[in-house]
Amino acid sequence: KQEVTQIPAALSVPEGENLVLNCSFTDSAIYNLQWFRQDPGKGLTSLLLIQSSQREQTSGRLNASLDKSSGRSTLYIAASQPGDSATYLCAVRRLDNAGNMLTFGGGTRLMVKP
Amino acid sequence: DARVTQTPRDKVTEMGQEVTMRCQPILGHNTVFWYRQTMMQGLELLAYFRNRAPLDDSGMPKDRFSAEMPDATLATLKIQPSEPRDSAVYFCASGVLAGGETQYFGPGTRLLVL
Repeated sequence: KQEVTQIPAALSVPEGENLVLNCSFTDSAIYNLQWFRQDPGKGLTSLLLIQSSQREQTSGRLNASLDKSSGRSTLYIAASQPGDSATYLCAVRRLDNAGNMLTFGGGTRLMVKP
Repeated sequence: DARVTQTPRDKVTEMGQEVTMRCQPILGHNTVFWYRQTMMQGLELLAYFRNRAPLDDSGMPKDRFSAEMPDATLATLKIQPSEPRDSAVYFCASGVLAGGETQYFGPGTRLLVL
């Protein structure tokens, strides 16, 4: 059974810092991996999706990497801003691609202080 | 701007009452998911449908939960009878089965069972 772990569970940084969020998964037979953002009281918004054949994806100040063989992914946020404060979740989709089912990590709650 | 809608946004009810949550997926999406999010368990998949047919509901307590898609524009999740441990945020998400596309999440229904 796939298990997804995110470290740290919570993180507080001053504005302007670069930071890294970590995600690990136990079964490397994945179809893709996604990073989502969740604001308080809201649903999830997809930030980056990395296919299993890719090593990284970039969108603005965000960069996500994937090392499938070691079961790890990182989300790098450059020059953090207070507006980045949210919970970040990673999710993996299994290789058989059955129904687009995702397994989620517990999330990292990020606070960026002005 | 197409988005998944869910009603109600908030629901407070007493133990033993029936609760029905509704979801309108994005037009053209053929896969619909129901998730439950709690502080303790994180985000868990309850059930999902492809082309309105239920494919997997193994994450759902079947004695009290039921999920249906009466038509392509409506998915429902029903709890009868509700219990305090059902208190959580219930998310609906929709997507396209083919390819590696992401799922699009609704804003969630926050349920409190007293």
